[in-house]
Formats: sequence, structure tokens, C-alpha cells
Amino acid sequence: GEDVEQSLFLSVREGDSSVINCTYTDSSSTYLYWYKQEPGAGLQLLTYIFSNMDMKQDQRLTVLLNKKDKHLSLRIADTQTGDSAIYFCAELGNDYKLSFGAGTTVTVRA
Amino acid sequence: GAGVSQTPSNKVTEKGKYVELRCDPISGHTALYWYRQSLGQGPEFLIYFQGTGAADDSGLPNDRFFAVRPEGSVSTLKIQRTERGDSAVYLCASSLIPRDGYTFGSGTRLTVV
Repeated sequence: GEDVEQSLFLSVREGDSSVINCTYTDSSSTYLYWYKQEPGAGLQLLTYIFSNMDMKQDQRLTVLLNKKDKHLSLRIADTQTGDSAIYFCAELGNDYKLSFGAGTTVTVRA
Repeated sequence: GAGVSQTPSNKVTEKGKYVELRCDPISGHTALYWYRQSLGQGPEFLIYFQGTGAADDSGLPNDRFFAVRPEGSVSTLKIQRTERGDSAVYLCASSLIPRDGYTFGSGTRLTVV
């Protein structure tokens, strides 16, 4: 979506941390999401954060939200080969529609 | 069902033909969404149903596209006079409470030749 921007590619070594960044423009967004898409598959919800939170941690995943700068990031600790996929940032507007970024392709190398 | 089911998984059609794509949402999910994903892009909103009615169809690109959900469960996306530019993966999602995130199906890959 034109209102959500992400870098297109990220290459990371197995065992390192990955950080995927996203910026959004709708200040009324209430919830922000990270989805994962593996080849030929649909989108899998990884995690989400309410806009009045700064951080949310869920096992290897950490989401950071800077509402002032409208910046969202997803950190994956101890990245594994199974983490290779496209990651989409999305925002939920007041109209209950999700708007997606173009996705970041994460490649995990041995 | 356990997840969102979409059929067919792949559809190849000739330019000018009519196609129907089916979505079977998670049982009890009142909200249903259709998205279209072109190669290398994120999903783009098409239409949103709350129950049987289309709450928002602002994403439908033109009047060749139409969607129904007559009994508030299964939905069908209909495309008339298909064009090569309609080729994409059509994704369906459902939710009970939108803020908890949508559950997506695996999509229907439509190829118009």
C-alpha cells in the first residue's frame, strides 16, 4: 500500500538477529501488524501491537513502535533458515481495513 | 472449518471469459475480506463484508468485479470479461474481531491468457 513503506530486501546470517523496518502515514491507525508469507502460501499473522504500546515481545519476536515517527520494526532473534520469507507490515485504519506495505524479502544464509 | 479455504487454488482462463473465485471463511467469523496481490507487491484491498452486506467495496477496480456473500458465510468473487491485467493472487481473509488480525487463506492464483 502506498501509505506503508518497507525496505525490499534483507540478507542475514543464520543465528544473527534480523531487523525489518516499516513506516506508516495514518496517525489514526489503532493496531499495527506483522505478517509472514512463504512461497506459494497465504499470509500468516506473526504478531501485532496496539498503538499505545512501545514494545511487544513474543518469544523470538520483538516489535518496537515509535508512534511519533510512525515507525515500526520487527526484530527476529537467532534467525533460522525457516525464517526466510516475505514479511509484511500492515496498519488497521478506523475503517477496519488493513493496508499493507510491499513486503521485505528476508534471506537467511548459512 | 479450521482455516480459511479458497478454491480453486489455481485458475487459468482466456481473456474475455467469466470467472468465479470461492472463499469459505472460518466458521463464526462475521467479517470477510478480499484482497488482490500482484507479483512483488503487498495485498491490496478489494472489498469487505460484515455479515451478508458489503460494508466497503471501494477497492473493486471497476464494474467487472463483483462479490457476494448471500448467507453471511461463503463468499464468491466474480470477474466478468477478464483481462490480462487481472492476473494476480486473490486472497480471502476472515476475522471475528478485526483488531485481532485477519486469518488469510492460501489464495487463488488467477492467470488470464
